[in-house]
Amino acid sequence: DSGVTQTPKHLITATGQRVTLRCSPRSGDLSVYWYQQSLDQGLQFLIQYYNGEERAKGNILERFSAQQFPDLHSELNLSSLELGDSALYFCASSVLRDPPRELFFGEGSRLTVL
Amino acid sequence: SQQGEEDPQALSIQEGENATMNCSYKTSINNLQWYRQNSGRGLVHLILIRSNEREKHSGRLRVTLDTSKKSSSLLITASRAADTASYFCATDATTNAGGTSYGKLTFGQGTILTVHP
Repeated sequence: DSGVTQTPKHLITATGQRVTLRCSPRSGDLSVYWYQQSLDQGLQFLIQYYNGEERAKGNILERFSAQQFPDLHSELNLSSLELGDSALYFCASSVLRDPPRELFFGEGSRLTVL
Repeated sequence: SQQGEEDPQALSIQEGENATMNCSYKTSINNLQWYRQNSGRGLVHLILIRSNEREKHSGRLRVTLDTSKKSSSLLITASRAADTASYFCATDATTNAGGTSYGKLTFGQGTILTVHP
């Protein structure tokens, strides 16, 4: 158990819909990362938050947005869903310090868009 | 494109044999990490090697890093059926200013390891 909690574990929805994925980081971790894993693209970094502020952005579509709340949990919002958005979405957290250390991953949210 | 690219894409061995996976990357890095993923599960950190280190050991794992060749290898000795999983290398790239990317890791496509009992 990594200590990172993601909900829901599975989600099936239709094209054009909007979903919200939730992540609670490990206790004490201030940094949250979102990754998308699909068969064709592999693991793609989407976005990082540190203590409520956006720190880094990756290949995140404009239809996707995220935020980190004062209690440090994070949400990833996916809107106008397309078939190609079907993937496993991972949240990870870390203690942000110099030098950087490992990421702790949740079990993921599997999104299926029909 | 992926920063890290693993080789081979798939590896099938018998229990007790050693498994070696290689990773190549493109840019300067602060550190390189290896992760393991059981099918459909979250990734689990295995080992981290810093750019100024050449070799690191952890239990049955041995990692090497050659920054001149921008490559790393992961050796699992005396493999077990429970080692069956996908293995990913991930790089923490330096920024243009030579700083850290603050933990944003770029993952390779992974090596699927199957260990037969």
